[in-house]
Amino acid sequence: EPEVTQTPSHQVTQMGQEVILRCVPISNHLYFYWYRQILGQKVEFLVSFYNNEISEKSEIFDDQFSVERPDGSNFTLKIRSTKLEDSAMYFCASTGDSTDTQYFGPGTRLTVL
Amino acid sequence: AQSVTQLDSHVSVSEGTPVLLRCNYSSSYSPSLFWYVQHPNKGLQLLLKYTSAATLVKGINGFEAEFKKSETSFHLTKPSAHMSDAAEYFCVVSNDYKLSFGAGTTVTVRA
Repeated sequence: EPEVTQTPSHQVTQMGQEVILRCVPISNHLYFYWYRQILGQKVEFLVSFYNNEISEKSEIFDDQFSVERPDGSNFTLKIRSTKLEDSAMYFCASTGDSTDTQYFGPGTRLTVL
Repeated sequence: AQSVTQLDSHVSVSEGTPVLLRCNYSSSYSPSLFWYVQHPNKGLQLLLKYTSAATLVKGINGFEAEFKKSETSFHLTKPSAHMSDAAEYFCVVSNDYKLSFGAGTTVTVRA
């Protein structure tokens, strides 16, 4: 069964460093999402992406964040200068249709020291 | 905006007994509602989805949920809990195609 994959599973970085989190969505899906879950808090929407552009973003998704689909398979989330409060589990999701079920990857745990 | 409220942060049941996880939603129109499960150190797995076709929705692993418009509820049930059901469960509403999650309910299963 096709699934969303994410790498790395765990990333540790120093404050102020750039990180790139990688996702490979399900191959025929067209809509892509990033969510995050700070420890002990709700899963929060960050951004949605369709047709090579951001379709919606939350207040959390400020200028420090960017997303890209550099090729036909990968979907990345970049944090330019990480802060302590960026420490969280980051989930990628994809769907074939904007009204369809979103399928989630296993997540990347980001720890900012 | 639509939202969901999970009424229990933690539910503990004995193996073989029923499980009930409560969720209320707030919506100005008929919502798309989901239950997702997250096992320790795993990603989010879809249990079931409601999209107005039928009020009683059957999901994987013996779970089902009933949409009750009059009560604005979408409670998740399973008749007989298994040890493998120990996990965190999220009630989720689709909000203009982005998902809004409840706070989650942690289920523990006692042998």
